[in-house]
Amino acid sequence: KQEVTQIPAALSVPEGENLVLNCSFTDSAIYNLQWFRQDPGKGLTSLLLIQSSQREQTSGRLNASLDKSSGRSTLYIAASQPGDSATYLCAVSYNAGNNRKLIWGLGTSLAVNP
Amino acid sequence: DAGITQSPRHKVTETGTPVTLRCHQTENHRYMYWYRQDPGHGLRLIHYSYGVKDTDKGEVSDGYSVSRSKTEDFLLTLESATSSQTSVYFCAISEGVGDGYGYTFGSGTRLTVV
Repeated sequence: KQEVTQIPAALSVPEGENLVLNCSFTDSAIYNLQWFRQDPGKGLTSLLLIQSSQREQTSGRLNASLDKSSGRSTLYIAASQPGDSATYLCAVSYNAGNNRKLIWGLGTSLAVNP
Repeated sequence: DAGITQSPRHKVTETGTPVTLRCHQTENHRYMYWYRQDPGHGLRLIHYSYGVKDTDKGEVSDGYSVSRSKTEDFLLTLESATSSQTSVYFCAISEGVGDGYGYTFGSGTRLTVV
């Protein structure tokens, strides 16, 4: 069964810390993996997309890595800020005929304290 | 979110009434999706479309129907709303299904069935 797990479920850190969010998946035959951010009561904002042939992607203070062989992705946030407080979701994409199948983690709820 | 809008943003309806949610995109993307998000379940796919008048079921399609008569619009209809359909509904779009394509989400519709 294709499953995605995100650890930890919740994280609270002081401002300025570097932190790592984890995403693990059971089936390594992925198309790509996408990290999203969701603010309370809001939609999902795409942060980074990593294709199956890539090892990492970077955008500003964010860096996402992908290790298909071990079924893991990490989202690294450098110099965290209170504005980074949100839920971070990992979605893994698989082939599904004329479509892709997205398998979602339940997210990591991040609180960055001033 | 730029390029994709959902309407209405909030709706309260009575059990047994039909409800239609609208997703409108200005990106000319081929693929459109309807998801629901519930605590403890993550995002679950209801229906998707891979072209005008081309739709297919997702994992939680019972009680829902969709239509796509134009590239830009994807409608989700709850045929006879039930309390179990109280949820937040998200529309998403994607340009393609290759590994270089990610998803863009709308801001969501919060539906309450009383």
